[in-house]
This record gives sequence, structure tokens and C-alpha cells, in this order.
Amino acid sequence: AQKVTQAQTEISVVEKEDVTLDCVYETRDTTYYLFWYKQPPSGELVFLIRRNSFDEQNEISGRYSWNFQKSTSSFNFTITASQVVDSAVYFCALRINSGKLIFGQGTELSVKP
Amino acid sequence: DADVTQTPRNRITKTGKRIMLECSQTKGHDRMYWYRQDPGLGLRLIYYSFDVKDINKGEISDGYSVSRQAQAKFSLSLESAIPNQTALYFCATSGAHTNTGELFFGEGSRLTVL
Repeated sequence: AQKVTQAQTEISVVEKEDVTLDCVYETRDTTYYLFWYKQPPSGELVFLIRRNSFDEQNEISGRYSWNFQKSTSSFNFTITASQVVDSAVYFCALRINSGKLIFGQGTELSVKP
Repeated sequence: DADVTQTPRNRITKTGKRIMLECSQTKGHDRMYWYRQDPGLGLRLIYYSFDVKDINKGEISDGYSVSRQAQAKFSLSLESAIPNQTALYFCATSGAHTNTGELFFGEGSRLTVL
């Protein structure tokens, strides 16, 4: 099965807290790509990061960091020192050899002042 | 101007009506997709097209049809709308000959079927 699971439906934190959004995927493909998208309240989908299956290096971009572990089929996303503007729905997605992008259910993050 | 444009952005219609959602792109991409978003279900693929002569069903194609009129245009039709097709619909594009790139999304079309 090709599947992405985001077990956390909703997360609520207070500003400046760190928060980690979990993503677990399933695929039979040996080559695949993982993505995170952000959907703010305005509704558009904003691309955050792409990771290929051969690159397990963690990545940091400002307050955002991603931890990719093939051994546990996980691609978790951490926001450090969260801000109110981080409030959004975050989607993890898997792109397989067929070219289709398979999304998780999304995690709604609420950052309160 | 947006690279991927969807029209209409909002539509309210009645059960049984025919509805068309249109998508046009200026990115020069060959691949286009239609997704549907429902709360708690994420985005689910309805149809996708890798070029003008290629149309493929996604995971939830029943009740929908598509037309790829040109490289830049990909329309989604609901022949006879029903209330459970109330959702937010997204069109997306990606570059040809690669499965590596991200998808670029339109701003979404919110459809309500009464």
C-alpha cells in the first residue's frame, strides 16, 4: 500500500513553544520523494520542503527542521519557537514512481499568543 | 498573477446540476491534477493528466469527468452534482519527465452542493 499517516489531527501550543508534527509513510517503491505543505487560513497550499529517499540528512531552514528516518518510515517536521503565523494545516505527502502525490490527512496547528 | 488559476473560486449549486471547474496554468507544465480536500481526509486525487492525450483516474474519480483542452487547461466536471461533492477542489501542475518536483497548486475552488 502507498499511504501517508499524520496521526495528530490537531495540535495546540502557546507561542514560543517547540512543536513536532509527525508523518509516517508506506510505500513499496525504493525511490520516492517526501514533501511538506502548509495551508494557512487563507486556503492556499504552500510548498515547504522536498526530500528524496536516498537523502536522510536532516534539514534546517530557519525555525523549521525536518527529520527523515527511513528505518521508521518517518518524516517529521519541527517548528522551533512557534509563532502565531505558524497556525495552519500542515500536510505531509509522498510522491511515488507513478508521479502521483499522496497526501496525509493533515495536522491542524494552532499557536496561541 | 497566479501561475495556476482556478475558476470559479466559489460556487453554490443545487443537486443534479452540471458544474465545471476550470484550471489554467502559465508554468508550461505538462502534468496537471485535480484534488479534492475534505476535513480530516486531506487531499485526495480525482484525476490526473501527464499530457494532452493522457488522462488517468485517481482514487476518487466516480461522479467526475475531466477534459484536457490544451497543455495549459484542465477542466473538472460534475455531470450531476450531489451534496457529498461539497468540498474544496484544487488544481495542480508539475514539470514533465520527472517525479521529483513539487506540485504547484491553484488557490482552490470551494463548491457547495445543496
